[in-house]
Amino acid sequence: GENVGLHLPTLSVQEGDNSIINCAYSNSASDYFIWYKQESGKGPQFIIDIRSNMDKRQGQRVTVLLNKTVKHLSLQIAATQPGDSAVYFCAETNTNAGKSTFGDGTTLTVKP
Amino acid sequence: NAGVTQTPKFQVLKTGQSMTLQCAQDMNHNSMYWYRQDPGMGLRLIYYSASEGTTDKGEVPNGYNVSRLNKREFSLRLESAAPSQTSVYFCASSENRRGWDQPQHFGDGTRLSIL
Repeated sequence: GENVGLHLPTLSVQEGDNSIINCAYSNSASDYFIWYKQESGKGPQFIIDIRSNMDKRQGQRVTVLLNKTVKHLSLQIAATQPGDSAVYFCAETNTNAGKSTFGDGTTLTVKP
Repeated sequence: NAGVTQTPKFQVLKTGQSMTLQCAQDMNHNSMYWYRQDPGMGLRLIYYSASEGTTDKGEVPNGYNVSRLNKREFSLRLESAAPSQTSVYFCASSENRRGWDQPQHFGDGTRLSIL
């Protein structure tokens, strides 16, 4: 399953499928990017980050892809599980200016 | 390790009342932050503290004050609460001074309603 930016803020996938969550960022000077997961009633939790000198970074079951040309960030979750159900949002940071901007988020629902 | 602890978890105020939101971290982090989260909007930075003894305004500082009491604690004060300040408030910390190139660790928030 895949969403496209703010126009589709929800994503529903079957357990075991791969999920792709997209984020369009706005500032070409941003050089550090983070994906956070936020469960209902909880604070955001760090998932994975990437710096602008990279275009791909992998973690455990998650991969972040960065396309600076079109200012696009994506989070891929492999073998999505019910525990992955949450809101996911990206954050872009211009580290020189000390300024971060957080996206609105995409709600991921995993159906058993 | 508790991480970032916020108190209270919930609060209802009347317009014009004042209150202080408390935040403490036990990770020996240098930088601390206060955000608000409103429906349909991303987190917005209210104030931050790059190190003990320093504070700086963020994107939406009006109506708020902060105190970096010591390295562990960073409080947010509403002097005269307004309905527009109804929101969920998150405190966060990061390891380095001016830790913009690091992930932040968040508390579980304070849900504040102003009537």
